[in-house]
Amino acid sequence: KAGVTQTPRYLIKTRGQQVTLSCSPISGHRSVSWYQQTPGQGLQFLFEYFSETQRNKGNFPGRFSGRQFSNSRSEMNVSTLELGDSALYLCASSTGNEAFFGQGTRLTVV
Amino acid sequence: AQTVTQSQPEMSVQEAETVTLSCTYDTSESDYYLFWYKQPPSRQMILVIRQEAYKQQNATENRFSVNFQKAAKSFSLKISDSQLGDAAMYFCACDSGNTGKLIFGQGTTLQVKP
Repeated sequence: KAGVTQTPRYLIKTRGQQVTLSCSPISGHRSVSWYQQTPGQGLQFLFEYFSETQRNKGNFPGRFSGRQFSNSRSEMNVSTLELGDSALYLCASSTGNEAFFGQGTRLTVV
Repeated sequence: AQTVTQSQPEMSVQEAETVTLSCTYDTSESDYYLFWYKQPPSRQMILVIRQEAYKQQNATENRFSVNFQKAAKSFSLKISDSQLGDAAMYFCACDSGNTGKLIFGQGTTLQVKP
């Protein structure tokens, strides 16, 4: 069974640009969550989608958005990038009370 | 609001010895789950062990076990017979009310000395 796949693995963007990250969950998993990991703030919850609906949202500005498709794949978008958005973005999928993580997308904003 | 606190930024253990990582949490929910995740240098988050709050019995997975003290809101991880491959950052996390939202502690970096 394939694990959680995140693409791309690495990304370099310029301030002011926007970026879209993708996450393909484990087959059969309908819940997808996104997390931001930085050295200063640690791991922070961004949002969670279940069956194409956002069920939970963390405390991030509106520049951070996401969506989920009918096949459970999810995308996360960050608009008007800031230097502080440089981070490892982790996606997790779950079918219950156990989350499985992808390898993350390392975003660097210059 | 939920909080998870790991008070040990760094720990070290001798290979084959036992080490305990501490975690405390706070939640107003009665139904919640607690987790320990391992994050090696590859950055892949790996689930180490899971504990359902309604279960009094402490979870065990091979060399990994927890000491779950519900009244004290404490959830420590014990690693027995430590191996070099156990070196990583360990995160304690809580999912209250089965929301799909994990709240993580700050992490503990574990060094294993040969």
